[in-house]
Parts: sequence; structure tokens; C-alpha cells
Amino acid sequence: AQKITQTQPGMFVQEKEAVTLDCTYDTSDPSYGLFWYKQPSSGEMIFLIYQGSYDQQNATEGRYSLNFQKARKSANLVISASQLGDSAMYFCAMSKAAGNKLTFGGGTRVLVKP
Amino acid sequence: GAGVSQSPSNKVTEKGKDVELRCDPISGHTALYWYRQRLGQGLEFLIYFQGNSAPDKSGLPSDRFSAERTGESVSTLTIQRTQQEDSAVYLCASSLSPGLGNEQFFGPGTRLTVL
Repeated sequence: AQKITQTQPGMFVQEKEAVTLDCTYDTSDPSYGLFWYKQPSSGEMIFLIYQGSYDQQNATEGRYSLNFQKARKSANLVISASQLGDSAMYFCAMSKAAGNKLTFGGGTRVLVKP
Repeated sequence: GAGVSQSPSNKVTEKGKDVELRCDPISGHTALYWYRQRLGQGLEFLIYFQGNSAPDKSGLPSDRFSAERTGESVSTLTIQRTQQEDSAVYLCASSLSPGLGNEQFFGPGTRLTVL
């Protein structure tokens, strides 16, 4: 069975600073994908970034980058130059090849301070 | 609209009643997923549809839960004899195909409250 663990229930970050959100996973499948989603207080789920298990390079999307350490089974999200609008819940999720259904972690709440 | 839509946005029901939740996926998306999000928690997978294949029901928590999808269009999630523990936000997502890594586009969710 797959499992995703996010050990930080909440974090404060100063505006314009970088923040790292931790995510560890457990799977026996060789082929899998790792996603990060943002959920603002409005409740919508916003896709941020994706990393495939066979991707050689860490994924980047604008201010978001994924620090993928396969041997450690970690997929931490780094948000650079934090903005007030980054205040939200952040979820790490994993999928496997068959069906791409997502298994989510418990989330980390980020609050950006001005 | 271009996104995934869900209805109703809110549903309040009494314990023991049946409820039906609706999801309209993005046109052309063959894969459709239902998830449940309890207050303060992450999303839990419920069921997955791909085209005309048999659905993957491995996440349904009990036989009170069922879902249907006609072809590649609308899906309905039905909860029979609702219990207070069913109170949650039910989110639907669709993707172009179920291939690994394909982005799932989420709807706004239906907030279900069972009194």
C-alpha cells in the first residue's frame, strides 16, 4: 500500500523568504508520480508541480521546485520568494501507473507573514 | 464553462436519508475520480472511472456508497442511509487520460453535512 507523510502541520514564513515543505512516501512500485497541490481557504485544489519516479532532474515550475531524493523517498516542495497569496494548505500526493489515482498526505498549512 | 463542475455546492441532510452528488467533467476527459475530504484532513480516493471500463471501486468505504458514469460524461455519487461520519467535502476530478503524471483537474466540491 502507498503512504504519504507530511510531518509539518503548520508553518509560518516571512514574505519574500523561501520555505520548504516536507513530504516522504512509501511504495514498492518502481513507477510512480509525485504531485503537490495547493488548497486556499476557498477550497479549490490547484496543481503546482509533478515529478515522475524516473525523471532524472528535479521538477521546477516558476517559484516552485521539487527536491526529489529517491533513495530517501522524499519529495519536498520549495517555494521561493514567498508571497502573501501563498498562504494555504499544501498537499503532497502520489500516484502509480495503473489509473493515476492519488494518495494524499495530511497537508501542511502555510501562513505567509508580511 | 471549461472546468469541472459539481452540484450541489452544499447539501444538508438528515441521518438516514439518501443523497446524490453530481460531477460534470471537462469535455474530452476520459478519466474521472471521486475523492472525500474530511475537515482538516487530506483527500481520500473513493472511485475511478476510465471510459467504458469497469470502475475501480477500491476506495469506497462501505456498500452505502456507489457511483455511476455514463460513457465519458456526467458522474453521480450516491450515498444511501447517510451517517454523520459521511459529513465531508466530496471532490470530483477529471483528467485527459489515466496515464501516470496526467494532471487531475478538480471541481469545487460538494460540502455534505449530515445532521
